[in-house]
Amino acid sequence: DQQVKQNSPSLSVQEGRISILNCDYTNSMFDYFLWYKKYPAEGPTFLISISSIKDKNEDGRFTVFLNKSAKHLSLHIVPSQPGDSAVYFCAASDSGAGSYQLTFGKGTKLSVIP
Amino acid sequence: DAGVIQSPRHEVTEMGQEVTLRCKPISGHNSLFWYRQTMMRGLELLIYFNNNVPIDDSGMPEDRFSAKMPNASFSTLKIQPSEPRDSAVYFCASRRAEGNSPLHFGNGTRLTVT
Repeated sequence: DQQVKQNSPSLSVQEGRISILNCDYTNSMFDYFLWYKKYPAEGPTFLISISSIKDKNEDGRFTVFLNKSAKHLSLHIVPSQPGDSAVYFCAASDSGAGSYQLTFGKGTKLSVIP
Repeated sequence: DAGVIQSPRHEVTEMGQEVTLRCKPISGHNSLFWYRQTMMRGLELLIYFNNNVPIDDSGMPEDRFSAKMPNASFSTLKIQPSEPRDSAVYFCASRRAEGNSPLHFGNGTRLTVT
C-alpha cells in the first residue's frame, strides 16, 4: 500500500508559467515532508522541506504548501524555467519514530517547454 | 564537499553471480541509507545504518541481500546470487543524524542482471 502518492506521472508547463506538483499521503503519523528533484543519471537532490507545524515554506521560486486535514502537499514553481525539467519526488517521514526513514512517492516528470 | 560516491556506475552481470555495490558517504555524516529504484515500486528503502550499526534492514528483500558498514567512510551492498529481478538502480544516501537534516544521494549504480 503506497503511503505517499503522486498521481500525475508527468506534467508539461510553458516557460514562465507556474508549475504545480501534487502529493497525497495516508499515514497520519507523517510530520515532515520533503521534495527532491532528480535529473537523468543522477541521484535525487534535496529541494525544499516543510514541517507539519507549518502550512507553507518558501525558498526563492519554490514554495511548498501543506494541508494536513486533507493529507495533501504541493510544490509550486514560479516562474518555471527549462532547467526545472526533471523528475520531482515527494517524501515523508515520521520524526517521532526516532528514525529518519523517508517514504517516497513514485515521482512526477516535469517538462518545461521553452 | 565530494558528495556521496558510489561505484560502479553501471554493472552488468549474469544470473547467479555475486554483485557488490560500494558507497562512500559524505565525511561527517553518521547515517547511511541504501535505496533501490524500480519502475514498479519507485524508491524503496532497503537498509540504514547509524554510526556504522545497522538499525533497520526490514526493507532488504531476501537473504540474498546483505549490507555492511565496516567504518564511517565505507559501505557495501552485496547480492549473492543475483537474479534478473534484482535489476534496478541502487542509491546510497547519507545525512547528519541531527534533527531533520536532509538526505544526500549518490548518483546510483545501475544494475542489470541477465
